[in-house]
Amino acid sequence: ILNVEQSPQSLHVQEGDSTNFTCSFPSSNFYALHWYRWETAKSPEALFVMTLNGDEKKKGRISATLNTKEGYSYLYIKGSQPEDSATYLCALNQGGKLIFGQGTELSVKP
Amino acid sequence: DAGVIQSPRHEVTEMGQEVTLRCKPISGHDYLFWYRQTMMRGLELLIYFNNNVPIDDSGMPEDRFSAKMPNASFSTLKIQPSEPRDSAVYFCASSSRLWDREETQYFGPGTRLLVL
Repeated sequence: ILNVEQSPQSLHVQEGDSTNFTCSFPSSNFYALHWYRWETAKSPEALFVMTLNGDEKKKGRISATLNTKEGYSYLYIKGSQPEDSATYLCALNQGGKLIFGQGTELSVKP
Repeated sequence: DAGVIQSPRHEVTEMGQEVTLRCKPISGHDYLFWYRQTMMRGLELLIYFNNNVPIDDSGMPEDRFSAKMPNASFSTLKIQPSEPRDSAVYFCASSSRLWDREETQYFGPGTRLLVL
């Protein structure tokens, strides 16, 4: 059974703080890694699909990196805002099937 | 496009009743996925379809669960009989090019099911 681990489970930061969290996964037979942002009562929203070792992708204040050799990906948020409060999910793509981590719940206080 | 549409958004039912969840994928997407989100297990894949055909149902918990896709624009997930442990958020997602590593899956807003 594949294990996708995310840490920390939850994070409380002040508005303006920069933050980052980790997604760890088995490094063998890597295909792709997905990051999603999920606000309660809404659809999980796709942020990034990471496919190549060393990939770095950016969307506004959010960026992600990928290390397939050691099996981890980081998600960074620069200058957190209250609207960034959500659960951030990573998912390992196993030939089309997504294996999700438990998520990191981010709360940004004004 | 309206995105993936799910109905109902909320469902409260009593143990033993039949529950039917519905999903309309994004037009043109050939792949449809059903996921379940619980506190204990997180978000887990139940079943997925390609061109209306079930491809992998290894995540379906037991015989009480069944899923169908009668046409390209409609799928159902049925629980009969329902039990309190089925209470969860059920998501539907769709995708167009599963073979493309860069392709993502697009999620619906989910159905929040509570079985009393």
